[in-house]
Amino acid sequence: AQTVTQSQPEMSVQEAETVTLSCTYDTSENNYYLFWYKQPPSRQMILVIRQEAYKQQNATENRFSVNFQKAAKSFSLKISDSQLGDTAMYFCAFMISNSNSGYALNFGKGTSLLVTP
Amino acid sequence: EAQVTQNPRYLITVTGKKLTVTCSQNMNHEYMSWYRQDPGLGLRQIYYSMNVEVTDKGDVPEGYKVSRKEKRNFPLILESPSPNQTSLYFCASSPGRWYTDTQYFGPGTRLTVL
Repeated sequence: AQTVTQSQPEMSVQEAETVTLSCTYDTSENNYYLFWYKQPPSRQMILVIRQEAYKQQNATENRFSVNFQKAAKSFSLKISDSQLGDTAMYFCAFMISNSNSGYALNFGKGTSLLVTP
Repeated sequence: EAQVTQNPRYLITVTGKKLTVTCSQNMNHEYMSWYRQDPGLGLRQIYYSMNVEVTDKGDVPEGYKVSRKEKRNFPLILESPSPNQTSLYFCASSPGRWYTDTQYFGPGTRLTVL
């Protein structure tokens, strides 16, 4: 079974500061993709960043970057220069694929991030 | 504009009254999927479809039906809704069947079953 664990249900950070959200996962597969999705109060699911498991280089998207440690099965999200608009629920997810079951996103339970002025 | 649309966005119904939540995408995506989101549980997959006329169960399919008669549409059907199906539902699509593809989510449907 594939599982995703986000150990921080809630976090808070001041505007312009840096915050890191943790995520660990468990899978026996070797090929997979990892994602961070953001869900603001509007409830829309928005892709923040993704990482290919076969790539050693950490993915970066503007103020968002990841620290991917494959051996440790860890995939943390760093948000630099936090902005008020970053306030949202953040979900870590990963995706595998096999011919028997298609594929699905396996989600963690989420971390609620509050950015304060 | 490329998007996934869901209707209705909000629905309150009573136990046993059949309902359908529509999902449509205009990106010619092959893969479509339904998820439900519940507090403390994250998102869980209900059903998915790899292409027209090809559907399969996800993690929590009980009480739901789907169909994929056209590539762009993937409706979620609750034949006899029950209160434990009160949830936030998301439809998603992606270009192909490979796990490299990013899924694009619709805006969500808030369903309450009384």
